Amino acid sequence: AQSVTQPDIHITVSEGASLELRCNYSYGATPYLFWYVQSPGQGLQLLLKYFSGDTLVQGIKGFEAEFKRSQSSFNLRKPSVHWSDAAEYFCAVGGTSYGKLTFGQGTILTVHP
Amino acid sequence: GAGVSQSPSNKVTEKGKDVELRCDPISGHTALYWYRQRLGQGLEFLIYFQGNSAPDKSGLPSDRFSAERTGGSVSTLTIQRTQQEDSAVYLCASSLGAGFNSPLHFGNGTRLTVT
Repeated sequence: AQSVTQPDIHITVSEGASLELRCNYSYGATPYLFWYVQSPGQGLQLLLKYFSGDTLVQGIKGFEAEFKRSQSSFNLRKPSVHWSDAAEYFCAVGGTSYGKLTFGQGTILTVHP
Repeated sequence: GAGVSQSPSNKVTEKGKDVELRCDPISGHTALYWYRQRLGQGLEFLIYFQGNSAPDKSGLPSDRFSAERTGGSVSTLTIQRTQQEDSAVYLCASSLGAGFNSPLHFGNGTRLTVT
């Protein structure tokens, strides 16, 4: 069965600092990988996705993620965090042909001014 | 444009009562999904509808949970004889088609509290 682990429940960074959110997955074949963001009072929004090809994918809002098969990881990064990035971030993996995704527990990001 | 709409946004019910949660997907989206998000946990897949095909109910936690989608549009998730462990945010999502090239668009969810 597929699974996703986000080791960090809560991360705090200063505005302007770099950010890396960790995600490890378990799946027997090449996975479909996603990062979603959930801001207070808003629905989940897709940041980026990986299906195949280039292992470094660019997303919206200046985010990027790198797929590393050898480490079963798909970490999310941003070079300089803005206060508006404070939210909860979810990594998800899909292994079937439609949107039946398995989500991680989420990482809450707090941004200090 | 209009996104996925869910109602009510909040629902408080007594243990043992039945509840109905509604989802209006984006117009033209053929795929519709229900997920559940318990406090401090990730989203759990519940059920998936695609066009006129039989729904994938593999994520429904018990036979107290059911869902239908009328006319290929609006969907209702029904929980019978609610229990305290049913307390969660129930999220609906829709997509233009099946497959991972059709991103999911999520609603804001219904927060269900069972007292």
